[in-house]
Amino acid sequence: QKEVEQDPGPLSVPEGAIVSLNCTYSNSAFQYFMWYRQYSRKGPELLMYTYSSGNKEDGRFTAQVDKSSKYISLFIRDSQPSDSATYLCAMANQAGTALIFGKGTTLSVSS
Amino acid sequence: KAGVTQTPRYLIKTRGQQVTLSCSPISGHRSVSWYQQTPGQGLQFLFEYFSETQRNKGNFPGRFSGRQFSNSRSEMNVSTLELGDSALYLCASNPGGNRVNTEAFFGQGTRLTVV
Repeated sequence: QKEVEQDPGPLSVPEGAIVSLNCTYSNSAFQYFMWYRQYSRKGPELLMYTYSSGNKEDGRFTAQVDKSSKYISLFIRDSQPSDSATYLCAMANQAGTALIFGKGTTLSVSS
Repeated sequence: KAGVTQTPRYLIKTRGQQVTLSCSPISGHRSVSWYQQTPGQGLQFLFEYFSETQRNKGNFPGRFSGRQFSNSRSEMNVSTLELGDSALYLCASNPGGNRVNTEAFFGQGTRLTVV
C-alpha cells in the first residue's frame, strides 16, 4: 500500500461546479498536509497548507483534514476553466524535510 | 523576487552517460530539495540540502547524488543513466532552518530524456 493514495481522475466538471478532490494516507506520523496545483509543463504551485486536523479556507478553496480517518480533501467552489490542472496532495511528518506526494488528480473545467 | 531557476530545461542523454542538473533557489532560501516526477510513480523525493549538508535522502540508488554550494545553489548528478531515469526533475526551494519544508516553491523542472 502506498503511503498516499489519490484518484488520478480525470475529473471533468462544468464551469461553476463545486469540485471535491481527496487523498487518503496510511502513515499516522503525517502532521502537515498540502495541496499543490500543477499546470502542464510547469512546476507544482502551493495552494494550501494545513497543520494537523481541521479546515482552512482561502478564497474559493477549502482544505479539510480528518486525521482520525486519514483523509484529506480540497474543495473548489465556483470552478473556473483556469482551474484546469493537476492537483497534488502532499504530506510531511514532524521533521518535514521530505514531502510525500499523491500521484495527482487531473481536473478539467469546461466553459 | 526571482523564483526558482532550473537549468537546463530540456536534456537528451544516452544510456550510460552521466548528467548534472542545476538549481538556483529563491534568494535567502537555504534549503533545496530535489524530486523526480514520472507518470507511473508521480513525484518522489530524492534528497534535501540545507547549508551545504544533506539532511534527508529518499529511496533512490547511489547513482543519484547531489550537492549544495555556499550560495545555496544546488546540483544533482545522475551517473550511468538508464532509460527509467527519463523524468521531470524538480527542484524545490524553502526557507529552511528549523521550519518544516511545507512552503516549498518549485522550479519549472528539467525534462530529462534518456535514449
